[in-house]
Order: sequence, then structure tokens, then C-alpha cells
Amino acid sequence: LAKTTQPISMDSYEGQEVNITCSHNNIATNDYITWYQQFPSQGPRFIIQGYKTKVTNEVASLFIPADRKSSTLSLPRVSLSDTAVYYCLVGDGMWGGYNKLIFGAGTRLAVHP
Amino acid sequence: SAVISQKPSRDICQRGTSLTIQCQVDSQVTMMFWYRQQPGQSLTLIATANQGSEATYESGFVIDKFPISRPNLTFSTLTVSNMSPEDSSIYLCSVDVMNTEAFFGQGTRLTVV
Repeated sequence: LAKTTQPISMDSYEGQEVNITCSHNNIATNDYITWYQQFPSQGPRFIIQGYKTKVTNEVASLFIPADRKSSTLSLPRVSLSDTAVYYCLVGDGMWGGYNKLIFGAGTRLAVHP
Repeated sequence: SAVISQKPSRDICQRGTSLTIQCQVDSQVTMMFWYRQQPGQSLTLIATANQGSEATYESGFVIDKFPISRPNLTFSTLTVSNMSPEDSSIYLCSVDVMNTEAFFGQGTRLTVV
């Protein structure tokens, strides 16, 4: 499983767009990139997954450049409730090798009023 | 999707005792996973539990300390044996559902005194 590197923490304000970048230089050809969100006192929750270019859902967008060595999770117009830890995971298979998820340190996002 | 119920949600235990954590899923799943999350840290995979076979443990975790049962496709238990204060953590159960995203329980917050 490819190692990932993310910023330890980020701060933002309500209404701003937040971009969290994850580096995965050793990503393999069949690896997918998956992001999870974890609120305090809860288990992680799936946000988005992608393989290349751009993926968008009702929660976030995921941008993946052509070389796939990094990815950026974009949260539009964050609110206080987006304060959480965000994990970037890389693994093989259709669903990012989720069968055996290996979590990195994650990015602790704090959204301020 | 999958709904996961973990019991107990929290417990305070005396050192030297054991605690068994239960994980119940509302659908049949092939693989179940147990994680540990120490305060302020990321998730660490303890073991993978398949029905009908012994659990597979990650480096640093052993069966004598963390015995796991998987009697059927909807249920698993994790026992934390001979506890010490260093075992104080949140323990989370996770499942995959037909190769979709991973789902997590709410976790069991264990405090060893």
C-alpha cells in the first residue's frame, strides 16, 4: 500500500473553500485514492474516491493530476460542522483496497466562525 | 450500506482484567476489521477477521492479547486481555460490503485504571 503524506493541520473560516493536498509518490497503476472524514467520538466516514482527473459528489471534489502522485480534496464553503480529521488513503482495487485500510496521520481541519 | 453496532460504547476497567467488545452488522459481510485509535492519534489496524478462519493480526498485535472471534457473517468480538493503562484507547470495528466503501462502528472507548 502506498504511503501518503498530508498536512497535520489546517485552519479555515466559515464560507471558505478548503483544499487539502495529499502526496502519494509511490502510487501503483491500479491504486485508487480515497478520502475519509472523522468527527470526534465517531468512526471514519467515506467522503469520496477517484482514480484520475476530477470526481465530484454532494460533499466534496477530488482533483487528481495526470501523474497521480498527489491529490487534492476540495471542500466548498465549509461550515463549523466540517471541523474534523480528513484521511487520504491509497490502495488497489475498485474501491481503493479498502479491505485493509491503512490510515496515515490525517489532516485536522478546524473551521472558525 | 451497513449499520454497525458496537457494545459497550465505553467502559472503565481495572488493570489485569479483560474486556470483550462486540460488533454486530445488519448485513452479511465477508471481512471485518478491528482498529485501535489512541487519544489524538490515527487509526491502527489490529487484525482482520474472516468467518470460519483465524484472524490475521498486524505487526505488533498478537492473538494472546487481542483474541478475536468471528462465529458468523454478521458478528465479531475483540477481547482486550490482561489490560494495562496503555490499552486505554478507542477500539473500532469496520466492515466492507460487497466491495463498496468501508463502514465503521461508533467505537468503544476503553479506559484502564
